[in-house]
Amino acid sequence: NAGVTQTPKFQVLKTGQSMTLQCAQDMNHEYMSWYRQDPGMGLRLIHYSVGAGITDQGEVPNGYNVSRSTTEDFPLRLLSAAPSQTSVYFCASSRLAGGRTYEQYFGPGTRLTVT
Amino acid sequence: GQQVMQIPQYQHVQEGEDFTTYCNSSTTLSNIQWYKQRPGGHPVFLIQLVKSGEVKKQKRLTFQFGEAKKNSSLHITATQTTDVGTYFCAGPTSGTYKYIFGTGTRLKVLA
Repeated sequence: NAGVTQTPKFQVLKTGQSMTLQCAQDMNHEYMSWYRQDPGMGLRLIHYSVGAGITDQGEVPNGYNVSRSTTEDFPLRLLSAAPSQTSVYFCASSRLAGGRTYEQYFGPGTRLTVT
Repeated sequence: GQQVMQIPQYQHVQEGEDFTTYCNSSTTLSNIQWYKQRPGGHPVFLIQLVKSGEVKKQKRLTFQFGEAKKNSSLHITATQTTDVGTYFCAGPTSGTYKYIFGTGTRLKVLA
């Protein structure tokens, strides 16, 4: 049971490049989410999903796309990287029951630098 | 938009002293979760509170959820060096799955 895995661990992009951050979980959780954490700050929700085929925007969705074709995977796409997207990105998953989420399990994070 | 503030931002304590962090939301929350993040690490779940006025204890940690479900607190009794890290509260606005994280309280414990 690997929990939540994220790849890559580190990435450097040039302004304007695109890339996909991968996230996978093996706990059969319905709820998955992406957060970004800037230095010395809290986490901000980018996008989330309550099941395969269902996604919704969080607090800071601009510049990012997501899709959820399977329960296990929730990739985050940066369309055209900008220096303002330099951050640590965390993926998380949680079971969903009775209309609410439970404990969120976080992946180890991807540290992204955009030059 | 919804905001969740935590105070204090930083706290330095001597080992053995108590510590409290307060979490205040601008809107009513469905539930509140608390996480601990060590430097360079990822957030680790501590507890979830759901009911108005709920109080839960985990060994030296005591968590409270306010009556109006807009505030919460975490109290650590007799801190240890292993308590070092940043403590975050987080919760979704009632009726949504959009989690908002608090600004965090960074705790340093001096041996």
